Amino acid sequence: GQQLNQSPQSMFIQEGEDVSMNCTSSSIFNTWLWYKQDPGEGPVLLIALYKAGELTSNGRLTAQFGITRKDSFLNISASIPSDVGIYFCAGQSTDSWGKFQFGAGTQVVVTP
Amino acid sequence: DTEVTQTPKHLVMGMTNKKSLKCEQHMGHRAMYWYKQKAKKPPELMFVYSYEKLSINESVPSRFSPECPNSSLLNLHLHALQPEDSALYLCASSQGGQLYEQYFGPGTRLTVT
Repeated sequence: GQQLNQSPQSMFIQEGEDVSMNCTSSSIFNTWLWYKQDPGEGPVLLIALYKAGELTSNGRLTAQFGITRKDSFLNISASIPSDVGIYFCAGQSTDSWGKFQFGAGTQVVVTP
Repeated sequence: DTEVTQTPKHLVMGMTNKKSLKCEQHMGHRAMYWYKQKAKKPPELMFVYSYEKLSINESVPSRFSPECPNSSLLNLHLHALQPEDSALYLCASSQGGQLYEQYFGPGTRLTVT
């Protein structure tokens, strides 16, 4: 299936540092979802975005729905070891109800 | 409560076996999904049920047969699978309507021998 462009592919950071990742698409989206997945587990929903320009926080996580409706970013502030995992963005275009395109994922590794 | 449960957690089956994966949610969600995920790849959509009717089939081979007995349950019947079908199978649900947030279950790790 189609994938969004998600970058970076991986990040190696020290505990306490901030993390930023983004997703871009050639299509206009009406919804962006951000997930975190641990090995062998299902993705866990972190943040949902529904409006262009929307900025939403969930604890140390902040995500924004881009003004052009073709991109989104996720920031993690003051990373801790349990932030390790794969982060996926998922976007739904206006004419594809129920069909989310997923990014390839960003692998985050946090070192003490 | 945003829990989606899936059974079994692990399944090993031969290519001639018939087995079923089960998914359950009690959040009152009216849309349910099956995804397939290979290692280090994003989930790939297989099927979508909306109000207990199949609304999306992403050209999945007929050896995978979905079933939605009621609004809380979703099954995936497996028959004559191939080794390349080995993957993590994820179920998800969403409220339906204009609320698109999908909540995933923990998945079933399927190995076809």
